Amino acid sequence: EVQLLQSGAEGKKPGESLRISCKASGYRFTTYWLGWVRQMPGKGLEWMGVIYPDDSDTRYNPSFEGHVTISVDKSINTAYLHWNNLDVSDSAMYYCARQDGAIPDYWGQGTLVTVSS
Amino acid sequence: QSDLTQPPSVSAAPGQRVTISCSGSSSDIGDNSVSWYQQFPGTAPQLIIYENDKRPSGIPDRFSGSKSGTSATLVITGLQTGDEADYYCGTWDSTLSAVFGGGTKLTVL
Repeated sequence: EVQLLQSGAEGKKPGESLRISCKASGYRFTTYWLGWVRQMPGKGLEWMGVIYPDDSDTRYNPSFEGHVTISVDKSINTAYLHWNNLDVSDSAMYYCARQDGAIPDYWGQGTLVTVSS
Repeated sequence: QSDLTQPPSVSAAPGQRVTISCSGSSSDIGDNSVSWYQQFPGTAPQLIIYENDKRPSGIPDRFSGSKSGTSATLVITGLQTGDEADYYCGTWDSTLSAVFGGGTKLTVL
């Protein structure tokens, strides 16, 4: 069974850094792209970017490039989403999702990030 | 503003049929297949249709999808109160970036 287990909710201050994680199981981790999707409160889904665990090839939505970093540690089947300088506007639910090609099929349970002074 | 256009809301009575539209362009839906996701409040989205009209294992055949040109449609028949959720269409564009619709809230009256 494919499972994506995300790290727990985070509360941070503006300007702080943060890394959230997504641990995959139940499939061959290195052969599927793994993406991140943002959902702001009461809003829709926004695709942020994707990484191919085998070679760390990474692609970003231009709207997010430069503000977040996607990485992976294939030795532990885990992908990460990292911020160096959080802003209050980063407060949202973040989902990781396995991508079969370009289409997200299995999703993690979500990580709620709250940024407040 | 989302890349794909969906109606903000639709509603119908239990047992009825409802359609949700998803409009895109030649560079996204026009060139690629469409997926549909169901999201209940406080939970992650779940894939219910992929490659325009295919259902993952476990998704009832009351859910069906189609695509024509630069638009796609999700049809739900025999509506149940448990179908109340947000529905999102998705595809990818010429840069191989996934794109989603703004979501449609289904209310079962």
